Amino acid sequence: AQSVTQLDSQVPVFEEAPVELRCNYSSSVSVYLFWYVQYPNQGLQLLLKYLSGSTLVKGINGFEAEFNKSQTSFHLRKPSVHISDTAEYFCVVAPQGGGNKLTFGTGTQLKVEL
Amino acid sequence: KAGVTQTPRYLIKTRGQQVTLSCSPISGHRSVSWYQQTPGQGLQFLFEYFSETQRNKGNFPGRFSGRQFSNSRSEMNVSTLELGDSALYLCASSPRVGGTDTQYFGPGTRLTVL
Repeated sequence: AQSVTQLDSQVPVFEEAPVELRCNYSSSVSVYLFWYVQYPNQGLQLLLKYLSGSTLVKGINGFEAEFNKSQTSFHLRKPSVHISDTAEYFCVVAPQGGGNKLTFGTGTQLKVEL
Repeated sequence: KAGVTQTPRYLIKTRGQQVTLSCSPISGHRSVSWYQQTPGQGLQFLFEYFSETQRNKGNFPGRFSGRQFSNSRSEMNVSTLELGDSALYLCASSPRVGGTDTQYFGPGTRLTVL
């Protein structure tokens, strides 16, 4: 079984400031890692994913995440946020060989202020 | 390409009734997954269908069931509704069942049980 912990339920940040959203996971098997974003009144969409290879992955809208196997973490970062980044961000894992059974974290609400 | 569509978008039922929700995946996608989203439990995996066969199942009671048709459209059914079944039900589609593909989510069906 897998579990995902998002350490911050809300993260307020000023526009153009950097941000890091933290994610730790637990699994007895190897996993694929994802970050999904849910904008207000919109559906979930993929930001980025880590399948294998380079531990630093880049996604859409200037976001990137780093996979750290020893710390079982997959933190999401952006060097300079914009008002339009205000949304809820979900860290997600899927077991390798386990199909599309996604386990979601509880979400982090990112609120970008002027 | 048209995105994932879900019908109906909103539904109000009373306890003890049953309900059927429908999901049409992106054209060419053969995997359809269902998730329940509530404020208390977050996003939880219900089940996944591929080629008309259930491939994965989450930890939900037998009152929750689903099926997939030959055109990949999927339905989920909840019998004997309980107040706690009030939630946003999301459907996601992907081309394959391997776990590495991006999941494309629909807008959801908001179910309210009175």
